[in-house]
Amino acid sequence: AQTVTQSQPEMSVQEAETVTLSCTYDTSESNYYLFWYKQPPSRQMILVIRQEAYKQQNATENRFSVNFQKAAKSFSLKISDSQLGDTAMYFCAFMVATNKLIFGTGTLLAVQP
Amino acid sequence: KAGVTQTPRYLIKTRGQQVTLSCSPISGHRSVSWYQQTPGQGLQFLFEYFSETQRNKGNFPGRFSGRQFSNSRSEMNVSTLELGDSALYLCASSSMDVYTEAFFGQGTRLTVV
Repeated sequence: AQTVTQSQPEMSVQEAETVTLSCTYDTSESNYYLFWYKQPPSRQMILVIRQEAYKQQNATENRFSVNFQKAAKSFSLKISDSQLGDTAMYFCAFMVATNKLIFGTGTLLAVQP
Repeated sequence: KAGVTQTPRYLIKTRGQQVTLSCSPISGHRSVSWYQQTPGQGLQFLFEYFSETQRNKGNFPGRFSGRQFSNSRSEMNVSTLELGDSALYLCASSSMDVYTEAFFGQGTRLTVV
């Protein structure tokens, strides 16, 4: 079975600090994409960062970066210099078939002033 | 470029009725996927359409159906509504390439009473 596990239901971080959200997945496929999506209170799902499984280099998007460990099937998200606008639910997901995303249960991140 | 548009944003239906939700993808995107989001089950894949053909289907009963038109707009239909169908229904569009990120609409909040 293809699954995504986010073991941290809730996390809190002080503004300007760094936080890491954990994600593990299980699949027998060798070629797939991994994603982190953000869902603020507005409910709009917003893509934060994407990682191709065949690439060894970790993806980076401004303050967001990932630590992709393919052998361990781990895909964590690091948010640097946290901002109040980062407060949201964060979902880890992967895609093994065309445009079918499998999501984790999410981590609710609260950035405190 | 306009984003993914879902209508209506909110809907209240009575148990036993049927409902149709609409999704207009980003211009040029030919793939449309539908997801159901509930507090208990999280985000679950319903189905995906590409060029008017259903390519993938999740584990939902036959009461859930969809279609895609020649202009890539998609509709999702739920017949004989049950209380458990109350959820946020999200639509996502992707370009024709394999393994691309999905861009989500703001969702339709369906409440079944």
